[in-house]
Parts: sequence; structure tokens; C-alpha cells
Amino acid sequence: AQTVTQSQPEMSVQEAETVTLSCTYDTSESDYYLFWYKQPPSRQMILVIRQEAYKQQNATENRFSVNFQKAAKSFSLKISDSQLGDAAMYFCAYRSAYGTASKLTFGTGTRLQVTL
Amino acid sequence: DTAVSQTPKYLVTQMGNDKSIKCEQNLGHDTMYWYKQDSKKFLKIMFSYNNKELIINETVPNRFSPKSPDKAHLNLHINSLELGDSAVYFCASSQDWEPSGANVLTFGAGSRLTVL
Repeated sequence: AQTVTQSQPEMSVQEAETVTLSCTYDTSESDYYLFWYKQPPSRQMILVIRQEAYKQQNATENRFSVNFQKAAKSFSLKISDSQLGDAAMYFCAYRSAYGTASKLTFGTGTRLQVTL
Repeated sequence: DTAVSQTPKYLVTQMGNDKSIKCEQNLGHDTMYWYKQDSKKFLKIMFSYNNKELIINETVPNRFSPKSPDKAHLNLHINSLELGDSAVYFCASSQDWEPSGANVLTFGAGSRLTVL
């Protein structure tokens, strides 16, 4: 079974600074997808960014980018120019490429605080 | 327009009662899910339906029974509620096929169930 590990329960960053959230995963599969979801206090789960394992190029979405290291099974999220609205729980998630249903395996989350 | 809507958002009930949570999506997606987030924020899949057919059924007690009257609706009925059922229940949906294959989930806002 696949597992996802987020080793940082909490992180803090100053506004306008850059922060990196760590995620590692364990799988024997060669084809899969990785995601970062954000959960603000409103509770809504919001997709931040996704990465297809077959793509070597790291995904980017505006201020959010990932460092995907397939051999190391690492998938970290970098948030640049942090904003107060970035404060939230961040979840890393894994999905197998096999099967049509999107069964996500989540990490335990990292709570990000953004300070002035 | 809310893409994935769940009702109720909050539910407080006594042990032993039976309750239901309803979910509707207007995205035209083929697959719907129930995820459970416990008090430690850990998210885990419970069920998935594709075009009204059950395709994922994790090790969930028989007291939990999902029902999908059509592909836009997925309800969750819980019998004989226990203290440990207290959690936030998220409904989600995804399209069977995307060009990237990622089948990205769109989540509802969650339903917080408190069992006293």
C-alpha cells in the first residue's frame, strides 16, 4: 500500500518570504499522480498544484511550485512571496495511475502560519 | 454556483441515532466519493461511486451505507451513531477521463458531524 509522509506538523513564514513544505511517499508503482491541497479555516479543500509522475518537469502555478524527485520519492511544495491568505493546512496526496477512480492517499498535513 | 454541495454543514446528534448527509454535484462528473477527516485532520477515503455503481469500499463499518440515486448525487447514511463517528465528512467528485489522466477531485465544503 502507498503511504504519504509529511514530517513537518507546523511551519511558519513571514509575509513575502519563501517557504518549502516537505512530502515523501512510498510506492512500488511507476506511474502515479501527486497533489498538494490547501485547507484554510473555512474547511474547503482546494487543489493547489498537481504533478504527473511521467513528467520530469516540475509543475508551477503562479507563486506555487514543486520539487519532484521521483527517485527519492520526494514532492515538496515551495510557496514564494507568501501572503496572509496562504495560511492553512496543506496536504500532500498520492493517486495511482491505475484505475479510473481518484482514490487519494493523504499525508497528515502541515499547518502553515504566515506572520507579518 | 456551488460545484459540490453538501447538506447539512453541521450536525449534532446523540449516540445511537441514525443520520444522513446529502451531496450533489453540478459538474457533470461521473465519479463521486466520501472522505472522512478525523479530529487529527487525517483524511481517508470511505467510498466511491461511478455512474451509480460502487467501485471503492474501504474497510468501513456496515453502519455506513452510501446511496447514489443518480450520478449527480451521493448520500451517506449512518446507523447507530457512535462517539468515534464524530468527524468532518467530505463529498468529492471527479471526471472519469481527463487528458492528463489525473482525475482531479473537486471537494465539497464538508459536513461536521458531532456525536454526543
